[in-house]
Amino acid sequence: EPEVTQTPSHQVTQMGQEVILRCVPISNHLYFYWYRQILGQKVEFLVSFYNNEISEKSEIFDDQFSVERPDGSNFTLKIRSTKLEDSAMYFCASSEDNHNQPQHFGDGTRLSIL
Amino acid sequence: QQQVKQSPQSLIVQKGGISIINCAYENTAFDYFPWYQQFPGKGPALLIAIRPDVSEKKEGRFTISFNKSAKQFSLHIMDSQPGDSATYFCAAIQGAQKLVFGQGTRLTINP
Repeated sequence: EPEVTQTPSHQVTQMGQEVILRCVPISNHLYFYWYRQILGQKVEFLVSFYNNEISEKSEIFDDQFSVERPDGSNFTLKIRSTKLEDSAMYFCASSEDNHNQPQHFGDGTRLSIL
Repeated sequence: QQQVKQSPQSLIVQKGGISIINCAYENTAFDYFPWYQQFPGKGPALLIAIRPDVSEKKEGRFTISFNKSAKQFSLHIMDSQPGDSATYFCAAIQGAQKLVFGQGTRLTINP
């Protein structure tokens, strides 16, 4: 069964450094998402992406965050200057289209900011 | 209005019993309600989903009951097994927009 893959599984970064989280969505999917989950809390939406544009973003997704689809397969989340509170699990998800199709999640990247 | 409220936070059920997790929402524009199962160290995995024009959906041991007028929906796990021990999230979505997740329920099935 096709799956969303994320790398790395764990990223440790010094506060203030830039970090890039990578995702390979399911190949025929058109909608891409990033979510985050702070330890012990619920999963929170960050951003959705379609047709090479951000279609929606949350309050969390401020100017320090950016997303990109640099080629036909990868989807990346960049945090420019990391803060301690950015420590969380970051999940990438993708879906086929925009009419009630399920979002499929990767296993996440655990980001630890020191 | 965008919130989905989920209860209980944690649930312990004996093997073979029925596990019931409840969710409530406010936004009547939500039109798709999935349940996700998450094991430690893994991402949320889609378990079962329902649209608001249906009152019940069953897949194997898992059933969603949906009450549109009350704006509530619930997950029932019949004949609960130790392998069902995981965190369960209800969620709601409008169109292709963001999934709004509940707080999660940590389910433990005792052998």
